[in-house]
Amino acid sequence: SAVISQKPSRDICQRGTSLTIQCQVDSQVTMMFWYRQQPGQSLTLIATANQGSEATYESGFVIDKFPISRPNLTFSTLTVSNMSPEDSSIYLCSVTPSGAYNEQFFGPGTRLTVL
Amino acid sequence: GQNIDQPTEMTATEGAIVQINCTYQTSGFNGLFWYQQHAGEAPTFLSYNVLDGLEEKGRFSSFLSRSKGYSYLLLKELQMKDSASYLCAVEEAGNMLTFGGGTRLMVKP
Repeated sequence: SAVISQKPSRDICQRGTSLTIQCQVDSQVTMMFWYRQQPGQSLTLIATANQGSEATYESGFVIDKFPISRPNLTFSTLTVSNMSPEDSSIYLCSVTPSGAYNEQFFGPGTRLTVL
Repeated sequence: GQNIDQPTEMTATEGAIVQINCTYQTSGFNGLFWYQQHAGEAPTFLSYNVLDGLEEKGRFSSFLSRSKGYSYLLLKELQMKDSASYLCAVEEAGNMLTFGGGTRLMVKP
């Protein structure tokens, strides 16, 4: 398994501002992903964070709104830009550890509220 | 794209057995995950099925039929702590997961 931490765990932000969420893993991982879970909903994949190259975004998500970095095999950031109340959600990173193809582990999540 | 359906809510009695179904329609399929998510917490991995058949892991078992686009999660000897949401997720290429809406299970004494 992998130990995953996210910062911040929660935040309350003003409309129009941006927030960067960090995801740190205790070991090198092959794949890192970012998901969103809106209140009462299931998880939706935002993008795959690629090490050393641009992230791969799912339909409905764009780089200008959700820029992602992945400078190495243990760390990634997701920025929620120009926030609106509709961005209020839980943002989770997930990882597939190297050598553990089948299992995907989730971080504790970042609970974001936009006023 | 993927279409993944599971019941929204289920209720069962402590000590009983409950089966949570998941059907999917997909153009591509690598495998199917089940996750448990307690309120306010991150999802935790329960099972991963690639081949048809039943995978048993303690009180939890997961079944897959690729030809029918169908899976179920079977929970035996239910405990109060099993009250949670259970998420079915289909793995697409590159480890990407598409989740169903989740089934909220309530276990009653």
